[in-house]
Amino acid sequence: QVQLQESGPGLVKPSETLSLTCAVSGYSISSGYYWGWIRQPPGKGLEWIGSIYHSGSTYYNPSLKSRVTISVDTSKNQFSLKLSSVTAADTAVYYCARVGGDYGSGSYNFDYWGQGTLVTVSS
Amino acid sequence: AIQLTQSPSSLSASVGDRVTITCRASQGISSALAWYQQKPGKAPKLLIYDASSLESGVPSRFSGSGSGTDFTLTISSLQPEDFATYYCQQFNNYLGGFTFGPGTKVDIK
Repeated sequence: QVQLQESGPGLVKPSETLSLTCAVSGYSISSGYYWGWIRQPPGKGLEWIGSIYHSGSTYYNPSLKSRVTISVDTSKNQFSLKLSSVTAADTAVYYCARVGGDYGSGSYNFDYWGQGTLVTVSS
Repeated sequence: AIQLTQSPSSLSASVGDRVTITCRASQGISSALAWYQQKPGKAPKLLIYDASSLESGVPSRFSGSGSGTDFTLTISSLQPEDFATYYCQQFNNYLGGFTFGPGTKVDIK
């Protein structure tokens, strides 16, 4: 069974960089699939942040692209998110997830999710 | 980017009711649409993929239909555990990547 677990600071100061890691168990990242980050501000909807392949190929939400870096560490079977220059608007529950679906047709979805971690941006 | 809208934004229903939620895409997306259920404090759960395919382990009272720009999620007989928020989601490689609809909250009447 594929399991994902987010970790990282729950409180980040404005203008600093938010850093989170997603540890994957039950599946080797090196075997394939894209892996992604999604966030959800309190009481609001879901926003995709970006995705990464085991090779390191990335794809970011255009609205966040200038501030986002996603990387992968296949030796530790984990991938990470960095979001720079954060403001209160970046306060959200951050989820990591596996990108499932039909890679041949491009019909993608998120089939396995972490439990999520709340990150608050405040001084 | 492709925008997704959902209607209604919320609804109240009773156990046993048939519930239908609509998702509309700003451009045609063939059948590349997924539906998720999210309960408070929990991660979203994949229910339907490719517009009408039921994810493994999801009860058969959930069904999806549609293609192009108009999609529906139907719960044939609402159960107590189905009270939640439902989101649609699409992916387009050339137009912004993944987007989610704003959600439809289903609560108890």
